[in-house]
Amino acid sequence: GDSVTQMEGPVTLSEEAFLTINCTYTATGYPSLFWYVQYPGEGLQLLLKATKADDKGSNKGFEATYRKETTSFHLEKGSVQVSDSAVYFCALSSNTGGFKTIFGAGTRLFVKA
Amino acid sequence: DADVTQTPRNRITKTGKRIMLECSQTKGHDRMYWYRQDPGLGLQLIYYSFDVKDINKGEISDGYSVSRQAQAKFSLSLESAIPNQTALYFCATSDFGGGTGTDTQYFGPGTRLTVL
Repeated sequence: GDSVTQMEGPVTLSEEAFLTINCTYTATGYPSLFWYVQYPGEGLQLLLKATKADDKGSNKGFEATYRKETTSFHLEKGSVQVSDSAVYFCALSSNTGGFKTIFGAGTRLFVKA
Repeated sequence: DADVTQTPRNRITKTGKRIMLECSQTKGHDRMYWYRQDPGLGLQLIYYSFDVKDINKGEISDGYSVSRQAQAKFSLSLESAIPNQTALYFCATSDFGGGTGTDTQYFGPGTRLTVL
C-alpha cells in the first residue's frame, strides 16, 4: 500500500542555518504530495503542496520539489528562524483508497537563537 | 473564528467511562476525519466520512465509534475508555480536488484526552 517515510528527528539547528528534511514515498498511481506543519499546542496546517512531477511547492521561505524519479519530496529552507520550531509532516494523497491522505511520522525541528 | 472546532479541548476521565468528542466545521466540506496522535507515531486514522451517509473505518477503529449528524458535525465516541486511549485527537476536513486528486486537509486544534 501507499506509504511515506521521513527522516527521524529531532533536528536541532541554529538560527539562519539551512534546513533539509527528507521525505520519500511509495504510491501506486500519481499522488499529490504535501508538507504540513504543527506548531506547539495546535493542529496541523498545510505548509505547501505539489500535485504533479517536477512541480515545486513553496510558502514562507520553505520549498519542496516533487521528484518522481527518486520518489522524493524533500523540504528545504535557506535560513531558519526560531519561529520555525515545530513538527513537520510529509503526506500524500492518491487515487488508491479514495484519495485518503497518508502521513509520515513527523520530524520535530528545534531552532536555537 | 476557527473553521474547524473541537470540544472539549482537554478531558480527563476514568477507565470504563463513555466519552464523546465533538467536531464542527464551517468550511462546507463533505469529507471529515478523526485522527489520533501519539508521541513519535504520527497520525493514525480512526474513522472517516466522505458524506453524511458514508462512514468508513480507518486503521485503528477498534474501541471507537462515530456519528455524522450533519455535513458540519462529526462526533467520535469511546464507549468504554481505557488508559491506552490516552492521546491527542484531531478532527479534520478536506476539500477533495476532484480530477487533480488533491485532498488538502484542514485540522481542528485537537482534544487532549487522558484516561486514568
